[in-house]
Amino acid sequence: ETGVTQTPRHLVMGMTNKKSLKCEQHLGHNAMYWYKQSAKKPLELMFVYSLEERVENNSVPSRFSPECPNSSHLFLHLHTLQPEDSALYLCASSQDGGQGSEAFFGQGTRLTVV
Amino acid sequence: GNSVTQMEGPVTLSEEAFLTINCTYTATGYPSLFWYVQYPGEGLQLLLKATKADDKGSNKGFEATYRKETTSFHLEKGSVQVSDSAVYFCALRFSGGYNKLIFGAGTRLAVHP
Repeated sequence: ETGVTQTPRHLVMGMTNKKSLKCEQHLGHNAMYWYKQSAKKPLELMFVYSLEERVENNSVPSRFSPECPNSSHLFLHLHTLQPEDSALYLCASSQDGGQGSEAFFGQGTRLTVV
Repeated sequence: GNSVTQMEGPVTLSEEAFLTINCTYTATGYPSLFWYVQYPGEGLQLLLKATKADDKGSNKGFEATYRKETTSFHLEKGSVQVSDSAVYFCALRFSGGYNKLIFGAGTRLAVHP
């Protein structure tokens, strides 16, 4: 079992659909993150949860709605997306507070909006 | 602001060739520096890190030295293998607080037999 698990691995959705991405970490970490990876662009940090509290929201459109019910689970709820939202969405977790602490990434969800 | 700049890819090498992927950063203060690797169809994995100037990170034959004077963290490997084909990301973060990584755009490496 990998440390950070994301489901589903692949998702195709229409612009009027509502779907959710799930992330689960089994590492006992206290922080979780959503990143967006688009072709030919640097990874973009979307949301950060530290101790289950959202501490950063990088100007992400409201059609993306994160939820962190506990320290092990993180969701990204999607509704009325646009084709340009198609990307690889990566979840990560870390044990924060120390310098150079490692972030562990899941395998990502490949999202296609049609 | 804080940013990371990597050399554009793709980098195409023959097996056993020497690899260098350049990375420079702009930062206020003294960040920790990282190299992550993404194999096809996978998420990112930490390859190596350095937390202060002149530190050398190393792993799996890869090395990178934190150079404060040139604000660089170039990735090197003496002899690449086909299995090293992947996308390599340079990143920085600051100490304390949560782990806000700032990534470069990534450099794709293709190694041919």
